[in-house]
Amino acid sequence: AQSVTQPDIHITVSEGASLELRCNYSYGATPYLFWYVQSPGQGLQLLLKYFSGDTLVQGIKGFEAEFKRSQSSFNLRKPSVHWSDAAEYFCAVSSGNTPLVFGKGTRLSVIA
Amino acid sequence: NAGVTQTPKFQVLKTGQSMTLQCAQDMNHEYMSWYRQDPGMGLRLIHYSVGAGITDQGEVPNGYNVSRSTTEDFPLRLLSAAPSQTSVYFCASRLFSYNSPLHFGNGTRLTVT
Repeated sequence: AQSVTQPDIHITVSEGASLELRCNYSYGATPYLFWYVQSPGQGLQLLLKYFSGDTLVQGIKGFEAEFKRSQSSFNLRKPSVHWSDAAEYFCAVSSGNTPLVFGKGTRLSVIA
Repeated sequence: NAGVTQTPKFQVLKTGQSMTLQCAQDMNHEYMSWYRQDPGMGLRLIHYSVGAGITDQGEVPNGYNVSRSTTEDFPLRLLSAAPSQTSVYFCASRLFSYNSPLHFGNGTRLTVT
């Protein structure tokens, strides 16, 4: 069965610093990979997705993620974090015939 | 375009009561699903549907029923609420293709006392 691991439960970064959120997946075939963001009291919003092709994908709000098949990873990055990026971030994976499976999330705090 | 609409936003139930969480989408999405979100557990799939008349169980289906009589609506029924069902429930939909992103509603916060 496919699974997603987000090793960091909570990360705190300073405003303006760079950010990397880790995501590892377990799946045999080529996965479809997603990053979602959830602000407090809201539903989830898609940040970016990877299906095939270029392994570096760009998303909304200045985020990007890199698919590394050899490491089974799909880490999310942002060069300079803004206070409004404080939220919970979820990595998710699906295949051609299974519903989306989510990681347990990483909560991002941003300090001045 | 409303997207995915969930009602109610908040609900308090007593143990043993039943209720239905409503979900409607206006994007003509074939696929609809229900997740529950609990602290430290991420989102776990309860039930999903790939089209009208077709439903299937997810990871945590016990205590919940669903039906899909129309493309637009996918209600989630709690037959006899238990405190373990206290959670935030999210409905999500997408096109049939598995590489299409999910669109989420804003959630229903349910407390069972």
